[in-house]
This record gives sequence, C-alpha cells and structure tokens, in this order.
Amino acid sequence: DTEVTQTPKHLVMGMTNKKSLKCEQHMGHRAMYWYKQKAKKPPELMFVYSYEKLSINESVPSRFSPECPNSSLLNLHLHALQPEDSALYLCASSPGGGGRNTEAFFGQGTRLTVV
Amino acid sequence: ELKVEQNPLFLSMQEGKNYTIYCNYSTTSDRLYWYRQDPGKSLESLFVLLSNGAVKQEGRLMASLDTKARLSTLHITAAVHDLSATYFCAVDEYGNKLVFGAGTILRVKS
Repeated sequence: DTEVTQTPKHLVMGMTNKKSLKCEQHMGHRAMYWYKQKAKKPPELMFVYSYEKLSINESVPSRFSPECPNSSLLNLHLHALQPEDSALYLCASSPGGGGRNTEAFFGQGTRLTVV
Repeated sequence: ELKVEQNPLFLSMQEGKNYTIYCNYSTTSDRLYWYRQDPGKSLESLFVLLSNGAVKQEGRLMASLDTKARLSTLHITAAVHDLSATYFCAVDEYGNKLVFGAGTILRVKS
C-alpha cells in the first residue's frame, strides 16, 4: 500500500464551525506532515510529526490544531477559521527515521472553503 | 535558512521542443526531489536525487543534481501536451522537512 488517504475531499465550513481533516497511511512511515497550498503557490509546511510527536510547528495560528493519535493517523482540527484559510490542505508522509528519508508521499488533499 | 529558487516560473513550449527547468538552493543538501502537480490535484513524485551527480530519467523527463553547484535541472525532451503541469523541486533541510521552490508552470502547445 503506497497511498496516503485524506478525508474529506471537499469541505465547506462557516467561520464558527469546528471540523477535522483526517489523513491515514499504512506504509510504516514515521514522519507525517500537513501542508497548506493556495492557488498557483507551492505547498507551505504547517506541521511535522516525527514518531508521533510534534517536531515542527511553522508558527501556525492556534485555530489549526494537529493531532497524531497513532503512527498511521494524522488529524487537523479546525476552529474559527477565516475566509483566507480557504485552500488545498495536503497531508504527506515520509519514511523518516534514522535514515533521514524525507521523500514525501502526498495524499489527494482536502479542498477547504471557509464561508 | 534554506531558500530554493526555480526558473523559469512559467514556460510555454511547442510540442517537440526541448527545454530545461532549473532549481537552485542556498545551503548544503544532498537530497532533492521533483514533483508534478496537475490543476486541482495533489503532488506526484517524479524523481528522487540523493547524491552529487545523480541522474534519473523517466520517459521524456531527465533530472540531475550537482550538489557542489547547489543546482538541479529537469530536462524535457521533445515535449508533448501531456507534460503540461506545474513542476516543483523540493530540497531536504537537515532531514527534517522539504523546502519547495515556487514551481514552474509548463504549457505545451501543439
């Protein structure tokens, strides 16, 4: 299994809603990532989990809250978002570990619209 | 802080022509990746370059890495319409994360 699966594919939420994005991989990868991508821009790193621990938070606003329940799952909890948070949210995983293998495998993304 | 620059940012090519996309980066790294992204889709891994002098080829695309010059190239041979997409290079920063270039939007015209 070489897939990273993200749900939902599309999400429309109001500014007062709470929602969660989910990501799952079964490749035994030890590092998982959340990226945000706006149109015509490169992916922008938000969070990195390594061995289920948060290792990098790129100064992301607290209205985004990541969670890594186990080595295969990664969630992104959303609360009180702004319209400018509308974007494609990409989850990725990489083998990580002592070999520093950062080759990232991306999920299909969640297209988020905040209204 | 690692910075990654790609050029050109936009490339309009005729079918059958050759061209090269360049990726320069600012600090030492020996791992570089190329990705393709179709409109509205996710990123697809194209090439993994793990050492100085690495060269990989797949179909009409060939990627190379010169770690001393901090330069990678993605060469397109005899372009076809199906290659139209956005291409990103990404450089490993200390084994922790990838830093992406701005992307090159490639349009192949028949």
